[in-house]
Amino acid sequence: NAGVTQTPKFQVLKTGQSMTLQCAQDMNHNSMYWYRQDPGMGLRLIYYSASEGTTDKGEVPNGYNVSRLNKREFSLRLESAAPSQTSVYFCASSEPEGQGATEAFFGQGTRLTVV
Amino acid sequence: AQSVTQLDSQVPVFEEAPVELRCNYSSSVSVYLFWYVQYPNQGLQLLLKYLSGSTLVKGINGFEAEFNKSQTSFHLRKPSVHISDTAEYFCAVNDMFTGGGNKLTFGTGTQLKVEL
Repeated sequence: NAGVTQTPKFQVLKTGQSMTLQCAQDMNHNSMYWYRQDPGMGLRLIYYSASEGTTDKGEVPNGYNVSRLNKREFSLRLESAAPSQTSVYFCASSEPEGQGATEAFFGQGTRLTVV
Repeated sequence: AQSVTQLDSQVPVFEEAPVELRCNYSSSVSVYLFWYVQYPNQGLQLLLKYLSGSTLVKGINGFEAEFNKSQTSFHLRKPSVHISDTAEYFCAVNDMFTGGGNKLTFGTGTQLKVEL
């Protein structure tokens, strides 16, 4: 029962490098999300996708791009990494409002360090 | 936009003692409320949720929370904690009428440390 799977689990980047964080869910959920977690700040929404084919900015979108590749997959790209993007990144999925199951299911996280 | 306040960043407690973790949210027409737990180096796991109905919500691992609309609070309680409850706890709110999916707004978290 995989749920939400993120790759990689750990990554070290040099300033200016680019990378893509991958996320896939097997629960047939319509909505997917990317959050970042920083000490003392909780989780903050970077981007979300309410349904396949749509993406929207969250609270902290600067420096990131996303792609909803299909219903299962939602990737997060850092075009030019900066030390301020050192964080733990979580992908999540859920059903949209009105479908009853409003809780979000989270992946195990990607710990990213930018040096 | 919704906001969530967890006033206590750390809560130390002895094993078998009761604990309350506080959560307050900004007022809205109607909300869904959640408590998540995060064990070290893991993702977030749902403890319990309030969608509607009874204001006392029971969750996993013996936790419960009470929704208080007049005080805009959703405090988490456990009558007797165990060492294994040591983790970070996050309160979150989903504004029902924001549209565009279930965007959750999280509090800054409360680190519960259970000591022998």
